[in-house]
Amino acid sequence: GAGVSQSPRYKVAKRGQDVALRCDPISGHVSLFWYQQALGQGPEFLTYFQNEAQLDKSGLPSDRFFAERPEGSVSTLKIQRTQQEDSAVYLCASSLEGARSGELFFGEGSRLTVL
Amino acid sequence: EDQVTQSPEALRLQEGESSSLNCSYTVSGLRGLFWYRQDPGKGPEFLFTLYSAGEEKEKERLKATLTKKESFLHITAPKPEDSATYLCAVDSGGYQKVTFGTGTKLQVIP
Repeated sequence: GAGVSQSPRYKVAKRGQDVALRCDPISGHVSLFWYQQALGQGPEFLTYFQNEAQLDKSGLPSDRFFAERPEGSVSTLKIQRTQQEDSAVYLCASSLEGARSGELFFGEGSRLTVL
Repeated sequence: EDQVTQSPEALRLQEGESSSLNCSYTVSGLRGLFWYRQDPGKGPEFLFTLYSAGEEKEKERLKATLTKKESFLHITAPKPEDSATYLCAVDSGGYQKVTFGTGTKLQVIP
């Protein structure tokens, strides 16, 4: 596709529910990143994939968060037993050569609201 | 731990009134400093990468500069369409981990 596509754009979950957020990166982009952005804050790093390999997951806030990219293209961020503090925009970004050039292409994000 | 601090948090300018946004950083070894623009409800959009002190990059009314401790984003004769949040970020050589500041929300009044 022309850009990074994320779905759903909006998700409302009751506390305790599991959610899955999908990211479809730009075709051919090796690197894929997930970020969490709280209201009025900058994006915070969650995890990084190079192809299908998850090379850094140091930003995942708890073991309720899980990300995968099984075939090196589409990625899914899963949050189990959602809590109110998980409410945020989840941004996916992809790039050809990783973060070195700084040129990450972001999707429009998935806004998660946990009630 | 890498830190990126942006100031001011918010800035309101009249159309044509030039100004600068500041990004100060503390990292163990800077490999790149990046500026992004973010419109409401959208993901960040890449603007510039700066790699070393003294480097400058320009794009339309925007010019980014870098010193050993901070970066400035200069906005010359801004227009209302320049209204957005401007984010600064650094790559300090961690495993592809880019650290973002909290942003400066710019509003340009016609």
